[in-house]
Amino acid sequence: GAGVSQSPSNKVTEKGKDVELRCDPISGHTALYWYRQSLGQGLEFLIYFQGNSAPDKSGLPSDRFSAERTGGSVSTLTIQRTQQEDSAVYLCASSLGGGLNEQYFGPGTRLTVT
Amino acid sequence: AQSVTQLGSHVSVSEGALVLLRCNYSSSVPPYLFWYVQYPNQGLQLLLKYTSAATLVKGINGFEAEFKKSETSFHLTKPSAHMSDAAEYFCAVSEGGTALIFGKGTTLSVSS
Repeated sequence: GAGVSQSPSNKVTEKGKDVELRCDPISGHTALYWYRQSLGQGLEFLIYFQGNSAPDKSGLPSDRFSAERTGGSVSTLTIQRTQQEDSAVYLCASSLGGGLNEQYFGPGTRLTVT
Repeated sequence: AQSVTQLGSHVSVSEGALVLLRCNYSSSVPPYLFWYVQYPNQGLQLLLKYTSAATLVKGINGFEAEFKKSETSFHLTKPSAHMSDAAEYFCAVSEGGTALIFGKGTTLSVSS
């Protein structure tokens, strides 16, 4: 079946612009995660959605970052007023029910802020 | 807070040799531990996970890992390396069974 998809695969933006990154989880997966992978920081957790519960935003690095999940499916990660340190690969993962269920990762969106 | 340390950012082995990738964790509660692999230009794939059942966990592609509480370790091994094992490997701990806390990763190179 279809895996987790992310778009765009690559995004180049100018410093100060806003960007939106999209994640389509596996159908039926109620849990969705965003992570960031960068050279200096490795893989970092950003935000977690589980069903209709309030999202766990504890990993968001600043208030410029936000995410939403509409209808319990597609998620959008928005970065406002992008900075060069936001350059990274943004990974989305989904799982069936959260908890210790396997997280399936998408291919990521490579964001470059110039 | 839980954390993971991967010893060695780069490990090189010959084809057919033992693979040993080291991971130590820090946790105040019984941890849930994972190994993921990332092939070039691909997403992360789960190799295996420890969830407090058997301490020796077998995963895909011939990999296994042993949970040692006394050493706070969860090292990944494979008896005989294959060229196709060349990739980046990440150890991770689960914080409350939700978000994953990853180590910095170890790049495995396999030479013929």
